[in-house]
Amino acid sequence: DIQMTQSPSSLSAYVGDRVTITCRASQTIDTFLNWYQHKPGNAPRVLIYRTSRLQEGVPSRFTASGSGTEFALTITSLKSEDSASYFCQQSDSTSLTFGQGTKVEVK
Amino acid sequence: EMQLVESGGGLVQPGESLRLSCEASGFTFSSYWMTWVRQAPGKGLEWVAKIKQDGSEKDYVESVKGRFTISRDNAKDSLYLHMNSLRVEDTAVYYCATFHSYDRCFDIWGRGTLVTVSP
Repeated sequence: DIQMTQSPSSLSAYVGDRVTITCRASQTIDTFLNWYQHKPGNAPRVLIYRTSRLQEGVPSRFTASGSGTEFALTITSLKSEDSASYFCQQSDSTSLTFGQGTKVEVK
Repeated sequence: EMQLVESGGGLVQPGESLRLSCEASGFTFSSYWMTWVRQAPGKGLEWVAKIKQDGSEKDYVESVKGRFTISRDNAKDSLYLHMNSLRVEDTAVYYCATFHSYDRCFDIWGRGTLVTVSP
């Protein structure tokens, strides 16, 4: 299976800050790298698919990029409602795997 | 509104069985691959199983192969997960989700149902 390693595991930042979460794959993957937001008690929500494509309805402050084994999600101007856990996920192999998650706290 | 609603979770003992259900509404269920994803307490998300639109293809994470069976009834817009020989480590919130076959992402999710396996 392709292992996905996210960093950091948690972060705390202020409203308006720019934050970046990284995701490293254990082997080179194609563009099938997705990012999800998950708030406790809610359904997870896809933010970004195919490395950098913004899901409909997701604010443009969420951007993402990457290639090979290194990928990143950036929130360009943090808002209070962005407090959540964020997960990367690869669909390059049939065995679908997620990163362990990054918990974002907005001060 | 596109919606998935899971049900069937509960408290069971190790070795017992449970069947989860997921009812879809607001979209054409039969057009989607469907999946189950779980999240154990304090852990990340883990894909569990997926099934093709017509049920002809199924796949599972290694840890549940031979114990869990995914199935669907397109006439009822419903997805199922039959879980046998449950283990303590199967304790998790189980989510059903659509899997977009072209973009290969989980694009519609339910809110989940909690399965607790405890002696």
